[in-house]
Amino acid sequence: GAGVSQTPSNKVTEKGKYVELRCDPISGHTALYWYRQSLGQGPEFLIYFQGTGAADDSGLPNDRFFAVRPEGSVSTLKIQRTERGDSAVYLCASSVAPGGGTEAFFGQGTRLTVV
Amino acid sequence: KQEVTQIPAALSVPEGENLVLNCSFTDSAIYNLQWFRQDPGKGLTSLLLIQSSQREQTSGRLNASLDKSSGRSTLYIAASQPGDSATYLCAGILNDYKLSFGAGTTVTVRA
Repeated sequence: GAGVSQTPSNKVTEKGKYVELRCDPISGHTALYWYRQSLGQGPEFLIYFQGTGAADDSGLPNDRFFAVRPEGSVSTLKIQRTERGDSAVYLCASSVAPGGGTEAFFGQGTRLTVV
Repeated sequence: KQEVTQIPAALSVPEGENLVLNCSFTDSAIYNLQWFRQDPGKGLTSLLLIQSSQREQTSGRLNASLDKSSGRSTLYIAASQPGDSATYLCAGILNDYKLSFGAGTTVTVRA
């Protein structure tokens, strides 16, 4: 596709349930990032993939959060045993490569609401 | 850790007035700085990317400057229009890939 695609656009789940959020980056972009944005705040870094591997997962808040990118393209962010505090907009971004002045392009986000 | 601050948090101007949005950061070893626009309930749209070797970038009515020594970037929007109403976010990159965002400035342009 022409841009970064995220599905679903909205997700409402009950506390304790498992959710998966999907990101389809721009074709040819090797770098993929997940960010989380709470209301009234700027996005906060969660995890960065270069190809298939997670090069930096230091932003994941705890071990309930996990992300994969098995074929170096589509990525899935997985949240186990969801809590109300996980409610936020989850943003995915991709770039041609990390660094070198490359621009990051963001998707429309998935708004997660845990009730 | 890179701290990014945007002041003011909100700004309201009449149509036609020039906009000046400020962004400050704590670590002058910044690699790049990127400005984004976010409409309510939407994702981020990249506006301008300034590399550390550059002092400014321009695109249409938008101009962004970068002063690493003072830890500041400024986004200028000339002749504002109601369609410019949105939240504008700046983000600095320290280590090649991790963006550190400010909380944004919410702009309202009154017709």
